[in-house]
Amino acid sequence: SQTIHQWPATLVQPVGSPLSLECTVEGTSNPNLYWYRQAAGRGLQLLFYSVGIGQISSEVPQNLSASRPQDRQFILSSKKLLLSDSGFYLCAWSLTGGTEAFFGQGTRLTVV
Amino acid sequence: AQTVTQSQPEMSVQEAETVTLSCTYDTSESDYYLFWYKQPPSRQMILVIRQEAYKQQNATENRFSVNFQKAAKSFSLKISDSQLGDAAMYFCASLVNAGNMLTFGGGTRLMVKP
Repeated sequence: SQTIHQWPATLVQPVGSPLSLECTVEGTSNPNLYWYRQAAGRGLQLLFYSVGIGQISSEVPQNLSASRPQDRQFILSSKKLLLSDSGFYLCAWSLTGGTEAFFGQGTRLTVV
Repeated sequence: AQTVTQSQPEMSVQEAETVTLSCTYDTSESDYYLFWYKQPPSRQMILVIRQEAYKQQNATENRFSVNFQKAAKSFSLKISDSQLGDAAMYFCASLVNAGNMLTFGGGTRLMVKP
């Protein structure tokens, strides 16, 4: 069966520090991968999505970047965190032609 | 680009009553799926119901049903016999196969009153 792992679950980082959030999918091949951010009590904002290794589409300009070094690995990064980067980050995957998207457990990031 | 709009930031319903959450979407594609996801306080995203765009019949899952109006690009969720456990954020979403875009609406917070 397919599973998605996202870590860490919570993270507190100082302003100006780097960030690396990792998401991996198991049990499937060539998934479409997504990173979303959710501010407190708000909706899901699509940050990046990827349809293949090395293929990254950015939806909004921001202080973040994404990479897909392997087929089932999706990494969200920042070189220098801002206070406004605080939020809840969700990774998700789907299959082309598939009928559903699946989500990780999320990472609660607090920038202090 | 795909857009999904939920015009109701908050809704409340009395336990055992029925509530309808609204959603409109916009896409130029013909091959897509629509979803309603539930996000409880744990923040885990739970699929409530799914609708294939090519199907005219409205999807139903127990107490949850949708009213899919393709021409109007409307996709509302009806919850019957509301239960306290239904209280959560509800997100409407579209998945377009061309480009594989998964787009969410802004969410509706549903409160259930005992």
